Amino acid sequence: DQQVKQNSPSLSVQEGRISILNCDYTNSMFDYFLWYKKYPAEGPTFLISISSIKDKNEDGRFTVFLNKSAKHLSLHIVPSQPGDSAVYFCAASAFPFTDKLIFGTGTRLQVFP
Amino acid sequence: DTAVSQTPKYLVTQMGNDKSIKCEQNLGHDTMYWYKQDSKKFLKIMFSYNNKELIINETVPNRFSPKSPDKAHLNLHINSLELGDSAVYFCASRTSGIGAKNIQYFGAGTRLSVL
Repeated sequence: DQQVKQNSPSLSVQEGRISILNCDYTNSMFDYFLWYKKYPAEGPTFLISISSIKDKNEDGRFTVFLNKSAKHLSLHIVPSQPGDSAVYFCAASAFPFTDKLIFGTGTRLQVFP
Repeated sequence: DTAVSQTPKYLVTQMGNDKSIKCEQNLGHDTMYWYKQDSKKFLKIMFSYNNKELIINETVPNRFSPKSPDKAHLNLHINSLELGDSAVYFCASRTSGIGAKNIQYFGAGTRLSVL
């Protein structure tokens, strides 16, 4: 029973263009969402988060959008850089009832010159 | 100055053995976690501890026993290792003070291979 889904296992984007990574969830109790970035042989690194009381959060080149009615969130990276090439995980939690993070299976982003 | 550090990074062992993975965080956090990433890349929580007390235990076999000697350390001991225990194990931590967000910081992982 996968409550958080990232349906695109991979994405390839040219440097300078926008990368859009998508995530869908099924549990309406989820109200705090995070994106993590992971390089090979390293742990997930926190990137950006959003609470359900917002529909957008921005941090530099990274913006997360939340559509609660559609149970969908997306991560936009503009402009994409080769160093952004990594696996991106979406995670959700029903915080503060629980701090358990439920992760998606990840999307591998490749940014090419 | 690694914030969440795990040792060892790689662990290769035989079925039936007992092994431990250590985790330490220097962030001053009071909640720590163990996650398992299996061969299908699912990252799932196993345990969480807050100030040395077990909070979450996600139907993990009792061969897995976490131990938290203090709030900066959370170790994972695994008895009678099985082939299916092969995975990458991640430690994580966060602060749980008033107003704290649920942002968890992860270690680099321990790749366990059971032969």
